[in-house]
Order: sequence, then structure tokens, then C-alpha cells
Amino acid sequence: DTEVTQTPKHLVMGMTNKKSLKCEQHMGHRAMYWYKQKAKKPPELMFVYSYEKLSINESVPSRFSPECPNSSLLNLHLHALQPEDSALYLCASSQERGVGYGYTFGSGTRLTVV
Amino acid sequence: GQQVMQIPQYQHVQEGEDFTTYCNSSTTLSNIQWYKQRPGGHPVFLIQLVKSGEVKKQKRLTFQFGEAKKNSSLHITATQTTDVGTYFCAFSYNTDKLIFGTGTRLQVFP
Repeated sequence: DTEVTQTPKHLVMGMTNKKSLKCEQHMGHRAMYWYKQKAKKPPELMFVYSYEKLSINESVPSRFSPECPNSSLLNLHLHALQPEDSALYLCASSQERGVGYGYTFGSGTRLTVV
Repeated sequence: GQQVMQIPQYQHVQEGEDFTTYCNSSTTLSNIQWYKQRPGGHPVFLIQLVKSGEVKKQKRLTFQFGEAKKNSSLHITATQTTDVGTYFCAFSYNTDKLIFGTGTRLQVFP
């Protein structure tokens, strides 16, 4: 299995809702990442997990809460989002933390906040 | 501050023409990666360059890393409609953060 699977593919949520994005990989990768991508812009790093521990938080607002239950799963919990948070949320994984390895990206969750 | 410029922003070519995108940094890079993102898709890893002056080829794609490790290029020979997409360089400055360049959007007309 050489894929990163993200669910759901599309999500519409209100500003008072709580929702979660899920990401799963079975490649034995020990590093997992959340990126945010706005239309016609490059992906922006949000969080880095290494060996199930949060190692980098790019000053992301607390309404985004990541969680890594085990080495194969990565969640992003969403609460009280704003319309400007609407974007494509990409999960990625790599063999180890760091930039010496290519990243495998999932197909993303397209989030719309209304 | 540290900046990486990716040029051009857009490129429209006729099928069969060549295409090149450049990534230029004001600071020495640890390494550089290249990704392709099809319209409506997600980034797909193409290659990583680590050594000064490194050149790698993948079929019609040629990747170069500058001698000073401050610039890189991706060249596609004889473009095909399947080459359509946005090409991103991605890099780090001696950290564990992979940062994406601004991207070059390639359109190929048949």
C-alpha cells in the first residue's frame, strides 16, 4: 500500500460545528504532516508529527487541533472555524521526519466553512 | 528575509514545445524537491536533489541543482497534454520544515 487516504473528500461545516478530518497511511512512515492549500497557492505547513509526537506547530490557531492516535493515523479536529479557513487540507507522510525524504500526499479534504 | 522565487508563474506552450521552470533562493538550500499537482489533484513527489551541481533525468524531465545550491530548474522536453499542472519546488533551510515555492502553472495546447 503506497497511499495516504484522507476522509472525507468534501466537508461543509458551519462556524459553530465541530468536525474531524482523518488521514491514514500503511507505508510504515514515521512522520506525518498537515498542510493547508488555498486556491492557486502553494501548500502551507501546519503541523508535523514524528513518531506520533507533535514536533512542529506553525503557529496554527487553536481552533485547529491535531491528534495522532497511532503511527498510521492522523486526525485534525476542527472547531469554531471561520469562512477564511475554507481550503484544501492535505495530509502527507514521509519515511522519517525531515526533508531528506519525499512526501506522499493524500488527495485532500476540500473544506468549506459557511 | 529568506525568499524563494519560482518563475514563471504561468506558462502556456504548444504540445511538443519545451518548458522550463526555475526556483531561485537568496540563501543556500539544504536540498530541493520537485512536485507536480494536476488540476483538482494533490502534489505528487517527482524527485529530490541534494548535491551541488546535481542533474537527474526522468524520461522527458531534467532536474538541476545549482552549484551554489541556491537555484534549481525543471526542464520538460517535448511537452505533452499529460504534463498539464502546477510544478512546485519545495525546500528547507536546514530545518525539518518543507516549504513550497509559489509554483509554475503549465498549460499545454494540443
